[in-house]
Amino acid sequence: NAGVTQTPKFQVLKTGQSMTLQCAQDMNHEYMSWYRQDPGMGLRLIHYSVGAGITDQGEVPNGYNVSRSTTEDFPLRLLSAAPSQTSVYFCASSYRGQETQYFGPGTRLLVL
Amino acid sequence: AQKITQTQPGMFVQEKEAVTLDCTYDTSDPSYGLFWYKQPSSGEMIFLIYQGSYDQQNATEGRYSLNFQKARKSANLVISASQLGDSAMYFCPAAVGDYKLSFGAGTTVTVRA
Repeated sequence: NAGVTQTPKFQVLKTGQSMTLQCAQDMNHEYMSWYRQDPGMGLRLIHYSVGAGITDQGEVPNGYNVSRSTTEDFPLRLLSAAPSQTSVYFCASSYRGQETQYFGPGTRLLVL
Repeated sequence: AQKITQTQPGMFVQEKEAVTLDCTYDTSDPSYGLFWYKQPSSGEMIFLIYQGSYDQQNATEGRYSLNFQKARKSANLVISASQLGDSAMYFCPAAVGDYKLSFGAGTTVTVRA
């Protein structure tokens, strides 16, 4: 059981580039979400999904897209990277809404 | 998003002593879940303990216990017998009514030998 996996671990982008952060879980969890963590702060919700084919916006969705074609995968797309998107990105999953969310190891993104 | 307040930005504790981390939340919804996570310097988020709003007893997990005071809307974490490995950032997010976690700014704990 790998839990929640994220790739890549670290990425450097130039302003305007696009990329996809990958997230996968093997626990058959319905709920998946993406958070970002900026220095000295807690996590903020970007997008979340309550099941395959269903996604919704969180607190800070601008500049990001998501899709959920399978239960296992929940990729996060940066359409045109900006320096303000420099952050650590965490993916999380849980079986149901208020149950414990398990986090991936994070992706550290630097946008120059 | 729900408002989570962690008033202690940083704390020092002596090894083997207990430490209490404060957390208050702001919701009028009767159904919610409260969590504590630990984030060591390596960066991963580690789940510690969970308390549901309808749970009659305070949650405990090994050296971690949650002092849940519903009327005061507080969910303080008590770590007993602190170890050097407890040095980390601690967060107390809440999930109200649905799946979305709201985080506070966290509390940094440093355990001294």
